[in-house]
This record gives sequence, structure tokens and C-alpha cells, in this order.
Amino acid sequence: KAGVTQTPRYLIKTRGQQVTLSCSPISGHRSVSWYQQTPGQGLQFLFEYFSETQRNKGNFPGRFSGRQFSNSRSEMNVSTLELGDSALYLCASSLMAGVTDTQYFGPGTRLTVL
Amino acid sequence: ILNVEQSPQSLHVQEGDSTNFTCSFPSSNFYALHWYRWETAKSPEALFVMTLNGDEKKKGRISATLNTKEGYSYLYIKGSQPEDSATYLCASVISSGSARQLTFGSGTQLTVLP
Repeated sequence: KAGVTQTPRYLIKTRGQQVTLSCSPISGHRSVSWYQQTPGQGLQFLFEYFSETQRNKGNFPGRFSGRQFSNSRSEMNVSTLELGDSALYLCASSLMAGVTDTQYFGPGTRLTVL
Repeated sequence: ILNVEQSPQSLHVQEGDSTNFTCSFPSSNFYALHWYRWETAKSPEALFVMTLNGDEKKKGRISATLNTKEGYSYLYIKGSQPEDSATYLCASVISSGSARQLTFGSGTQLTVLP
């Protein structure tokens, strides 16, 4: 079974721009969660989607948004990029609810904001 | 405890030594406790998802215990090997109103010296 894939793997943007990251879950998995990892903050939960609905959201500003498609693929969008958005963005998929199911992580997208 | 805390922050052991780390989490409204291993340049890999008080899980030389009443979990590695070198993360569900999110600790960085 193919694992979780994320595209692109690396991205360089400038302040004020917007960015869209993509995540394809393991086939059959219906839940996709997104996390931000920065050196000082560790892994922080952004949001979780299940069957095209946002189920849970972390404490991030409205510039961070996401969506999930009918095939469970998910995209995350960050608008008006700030320097502090530079981070590794990880998505994870699980069969059902992310909080009680094993999560399978993708390789991440490394975003650098200049 | 309002957050997920892990100790120690880092650990160096000799090959063959056994070791253990601690994860402390809020004991109220407990849903699940996750353990992950994160090797450098790889994705976090799920080790265990534990839901019941007194639960014990084992995977090869690695095992974990769970005490939901007092809010802690231990991860044990028996006979550490250099390939066990990684950051070990635990995560628990933190509720905020109706929202639930998987909240990660900052991790224990294990280095096994040959």
C-alpha cells in the first residue's frame, strides 16, 4: 500500500504571498490532519478533516485554511505569508478519527518564507 | 497538567543499555495516548496508540505503559541499539470546548552510542 504523499517537498516563497500544499492519504483513509513543526514549538496541530468536513482546528490564525476532497486528498492554504510561517508542514492520515486512530505521516513540505 | 510534557529532553545511552522516558498528560477527559518515533530525515512513525488505563503494549524491544488516572505513560527500550537513536514523541488529546486536538510533547531525543 502506498504511503502518505505530500507535494511539493520544498517551497520558497516571499512575505505576502500565498501557498497551497497538497496531501494524498493512504488509500481508504478518511481522516487527514495537518501539523506545523518549527524548531522552537515542536509539532503543532493545525486542523483535521474527515469526509470533506473540518472536524477540529488548532490555535492558528485564519490565514491558515484547508479543505478535503471527495477522494480524501487534502490541501492546506496559507495566505499573506509571514517569516514565522517558515516550517515543516506534515500531514497525517488515519482510517477514521485522527485522535484515537494511528496516524501515518507523510514526508512533509519544507516551506521557507523570505 | 494542562499540556503534554516529556522527560528527559535528551538522553545518551550505551549500546545494550535499557532506558525509559516519561510522558505526562492531562488526566481529565482522556481519549488516547500516542507514541511516535521520529528519525532524522524521515517521517514520524507510529509506535503505539493506547486508550485503556493499565494498558501495556509491546513492539519488539520497545514497550509502553499507561496510567490514565494519574496522567502518565512510560516508554521502555530494552537493550538499546544504535538504530534506536531518534526523537520519541508522545501525544494526547486535549479538549477545548467541543474541539479535540492531538497535542504533542516536545519529545525525548535518544542517542545510542555504539
